[in-house]
Amino acid sequence: ELKVEQNPLFLSMQEGKNYTIYCNYSTTSDRLYWYRQDPGKSLESLFVLLSNGAVKQEGRLMASLDTKARLSTLHITAAVHDLSATYFCAVDPYSGTYKYIFGTGTRLKVLA
Amino acid sequence: DTGVSQNPRHKITKRGQNVTFRCDPISEHNRLYWYRQTLGQGPEFLTYFQNEAQLEKSRLLSDRFSAERPKGSFSTLEIQRTEQGDSAMYLCASSPLNQGLHGYTFGSGTRLTVV
Repeated sequence: ELKVEQNPLFLSMQEGKNYTIYCNYSTTSDRLYWYRQDPGKSLESLFVLLSNGAVKQEGRLMASLDTKARLSTLHITAAVHDLSATYFCAVDPYSGTYKYIFGTGTRLKVLA
Repeated sequence: DTGVSQNPRHKITKRGQNVTFRCDPISEHNRLYWYRQTLGQGPEFLTYFQNEAQLEKSRLLSDRFSAERPKGSFSTLEIQRTEQGDSAMYLCASSPLNQGLHGYTFGSGTRLTVV
């Protein structure tokens, strides 16, 4: 069974602190996507990681992909309240269909 | 282009009624996807279209569910004889053929509540 697991599921952190969210997946995939979802809203694309060793950064967020370990990380630097949201990773394991398998989500709350 | 548009945003229906949702993708996008998201979970794949052809349906999509994309433009998702377990956010996404480089663009979703 294909699984995409994220940890932690819930994360409460103080403003200014650093933390990493982990995304492990059980099948081969060289493509991984990170999305952000605010409560009651749809998903906003954050990062597209297309190869082993890919690293992308946008503001206080940095994502990386290790396809050999089947692991992606989303690192948060000096968190601010506006980063409070749920973060999902998704893998694309089916060549040609682009059918994503989403992770369980990490609900992040940044405390002022 | 204003992105992927979904209507209605919210739908409350009585158990046993039929409902239909509409998705208007980004105009130049060939692929269109439907996902379902229940509270506290990640989205789950339901079905996808490439142009007007429905290429795959998930086992989650029971016989009560049907999706169409006439002329490869907008898409509709119909649920017949709704059940309380159908309550969820229904998300539509679209992508170009080379979506691997960009990922999906999601719509705002339709939240269905079956009472």
